[in-house]
Amino acid sequence: RKEVEQDPGPFNVPEGATVAFNCTYSNSASQSFFWYRQDCRKEPKLLMSVYSSGNEDGRFTAQLNRASQYISLLIRDSKLSDSATYLCAVNTDKLIFGTGTRLQVFP
Amino acid sequence: DAGVIQSPRHEVTEMGQEVTLRCKPISGHNSLFWYRQTMMRGLELLIYFNNNVPIDDSGMPEDRFSAKMPNASFSTLKIQPSEPRDSAVYFCASSLNRGAQPQHFGDGTRLSIL
Repeated sequence: RKEVEQDPGPFNVPEGATVAFNCTYSNSASQSFFWYRQDCRKEPKLLMSVYSSGNEDGRFTAQLNRASQYISLLIRDSKLSDSATYLCAVNTDKLIFGTGTRLQVFP
Repeated sequence: DAGVIQSPRHEVTEMGQEVTLRCKPISGHNSLFWYRQTMMRGLELLIYFNNNVPIDDSGMPEDRFSAKMPNASFSTLKIQPSEPRDSAVYFCASSLNRGAQPQHFGDGTRLSIL
């Protein structure tokens, strides 16, 4: 089993839709969690950290479920500009990235 | 503020040649990471340094790969000799410390070995 797993997608959604991604991790000792966004032929960029109590940044909501060992990212009111690959990252003694979930928002 | 700076942005060379990739981390960051990204394998951690000391190089694929960090503001990743299967995008990232703080990535070096 991979340390960090994501559904590769692609998720094809219309503008205005709500979409959610999950990311599971295998090491229960993992301490910190992040979501990154990567555009085509660009570097990964930090989207948001994931806190135990859950956190929100505009249209984006991140949650952590330690009991089931997954993190989630919810995007409300999808925009065309949200089209990208979303990578989760989980840290124990080093940061391990998932392979990413591709999101395509269409008009 | 300057982010992580990598050079070159693109490198095309023939197999067997030595390739050197360079990275300048964000000033004040004490952890530096080298990643390789391909379509097949995703983003793979090759090696990381904490306070200029290599901590974990278990991701380095072969002895052909080596990395150094002679000071807090500079690191190199070297491939010698290079092979076509080394073709990938190589990212350098830095963070304030290796765990709790997020990593910030450079633009990457797109490497093609012919």
